[in-house]
Amino acid sequence: QITLKESGPTLVKPTQTLTLTCTFSGFSLRTSGVGVGWIRQPPGKALEWLALVYWDDDKHYRPSLKRRLTIAKDTSKNQVVLTLTNMDPVDTATYYCAHTPVDGSGYYFDHWGQGTLVIVSS
Amino acid sequence: QSALTQPRSVSGSPGHSVTISCTKTSSDVYNYVSWYQQHPDKAPKLMIYDVNKRPSGVPDRFSGSKSGNTASLTISGLQTEDEADYYCYSYAGKNTFVFGTGTRVTVL
Repeated sequence: QITLKESGPTLVKPTQTLTLTCTFSGFSLRTSGVGVGWIRQPPGKALEWLALVYWDDDKHYRPSLKRRLTIAKDTSKNQVVLTLTNMDPVDTATYYCAHTPVDGSGYYFDHWGQGTLVIVSS
Repeated sequence: QSALTQPRSVSGSPGHSVTISCTKTSSDVYNYVSWYQQHPDKAPKLMIYDVNKRPSGVPDRFSGSKSGNTASLTISGLQTEDEADYYCYSYAGKNTFVFGTGTRVTVL
């Protein structure tokens, strides 16, 4: 059974760096083809793809946020960490991590975490 | 990054069918479109992947298709529990991905 759970601060101040951790179970990031992604959703708005890291450490980022985003995996801890620098109130959102499988193209998310709300305010 | 445009809302009566479109603004939609259902304050749930494949446990009332630069999700035999937001998602080229603008499905 695959599960993912996001953790991190609920409130951050403008200009600070956000660090979120996705802790997962039921799969390994050592398995060929597997990946973990981060997605966010501002209140009342649409989902936004942020970043992906694959089993082979290949990383992909949302072009508009590439300079501020870093994704990293810790295979031994079954964790994926997302950092977003220079936080702004427009970054207020629920942040989700999700699993990309080996089946088919792999270009989809078949399991999601519950999400964690991050508010940016002074 | 190419956008995926969806209608803001669609509605239908119980037992009827609704179709949600997902249009890529430039060039054809890749064969890597997936669809997600999201109820209020819940995490998204995968409903369709790779254009028309259904994960285990998803009712066969949900089906996906693609033609040119438009992918579609059809819900047949609409049920009250299908009332939710739906998002398409696709590979956008150059190792990037994009979600659609989202569609609210209302069961009348």
